Formats: sequence, C-alpha cells, structure tokens
Amino acid sequence: GEDVEQSLFLSVREGDSSVINCTYTDSSSTYLYWYKQEPGAGLQLLTYIFSNMDMKQDQRLTVLLNKKDKHLSLRIADTQTGDSAIYFCAESFYSGAGSYQLTFGKGTKLSVIP
Amino acid sequence: DSGVTQTPKHLITATGQRVTLRCSPRSGDLSVYWYQQSLDQGLQFLIQYYNGEERAKGNILERFSAQQFPDLHSELNLSSLELGDSALYFCASSVSGGLPSGYNEQFFGPGTRLTVL
Repeated sequence: GEDVEQSLFLSVREGDSSVINCTYTDSSSTYLYWYKQEPGAGLQLLTYIFSNMDMKQDQRLTVLLNKKDKHLSLRIADTQTGDSAIYFCAESFYSGAGSYQLTFGKGTKLSVIP
Repeated sequence: DSGVTQTPKHLITATGQRVTLRCSPRSGDLSVYWYQQSLDQGLQFLIQYYNGEERAKGNILERFSAQQFPDLHSELNLSSLELGDSALYFCASSVSGGLPSGYNEQFFGPGTRLTVL
C-alpha cells in the first residue's frame, strides 16, 4: 500500500535553512503536500506541489520533487523560532469510488535553537 | 482558524465505555475525514464521508463507526474502549474530496484528545 517516510527530528539554529525530506511510494500521486502542526493544534496546509512540477517556491518555502526517486523535500529559509513545529509530508492517491485519500508520514519535529 | 470545529476538546473515560466525537466541517465542504493520531502510529486515516455517504475506509476498527448527517456534520462513535484507543482524533473537511482534479486540500479541526483509563 501507500507509504510515506520521513525522519522524525531536525534541529537547526535560528537564521539557518531547514531541509525536511520525505519519500513516498505511489508513483501515480497527483499532488504532494506539506502540512504543519503546532503544539495543541490541528494540521494546517503549508504548501503543495503538483506531480508534473520539479520545484515550487512560496516566500521562505521551497519544495523540490524528484519523481524518479519519489523524493520530496521542504526547505525553509531563514528559519525562525516560530517555525518550531511538526511537519508532515502527505501524498494523495485515488482510492476508488470517486475518492481521493491522503497518506501522511509520521511527521518531522523541527526544533529551532535561538 | 480552519473553520472546522470539533467537540469536545478533551474526553476522559474508562475502558469498556462508549463515546461520541462530533465534527462540523467548513461551510460548503461536502467531504469529512476522520483520523487518529498516536505517538507510535502517527496520523492514521479512519474513514471518509461525502455528502452523507461513506466513501472510503482506512484502518478503522469494527468497534468504531461514523456517520454524516444531512446538515453535513459528522460523528465518530467509539465503543468498548480500550487503553490503546487513547489518542488525538482529528476531523478534516474538503470541498469535494479531491474531485475532479485530484487536488484534495483538507482543513483540520483542533482535535479531540481521548484518554481511556
């Protein structure tokens, strides 16, 4: 079945860049997503990329997609303490009966050191 | 604020009991998803409803059931509760469940934290 893998922890210094990596299994995924979860809150969509794109930039966020290797990354430039959160990678797949599902990785906890 | 509301925020109950979690989707969203988040399993998809009908099932136990009502709010019923059911339960909604393009942005509620003692 579909599976999404990501490392569990990342620690960076304030002002540095953070890179969170993810691998997925479903080559037919049309969209891939990055969600952010702050303590005590639900998940919030950060950004997404369509599968025919290699890169997407959105202010401090850069998403890179290597479809051949099924590898997705999220780069956060000039990381701030407010970026401390858990980041989830998710792939979308068609599960039949007119339904699209998301499979989430276990999340990468980003800690930003002041 | 995502526009998705969930009640209650916290729930503490005993093993063997039954509880109901409630979710109101964003205005206009037809699809509702339920997820369970635990430390060891991560975020697990349980079930999806679209405009009142069940659309997809994930790793949902037989002791769990859900429904979506005509006003589109949804309830997740958990029965014969076990210690291992302690987790955060999230509801998410989306406009069309990913149709027709496959773009399936889901908006998450704040979650219900269930503790089974």
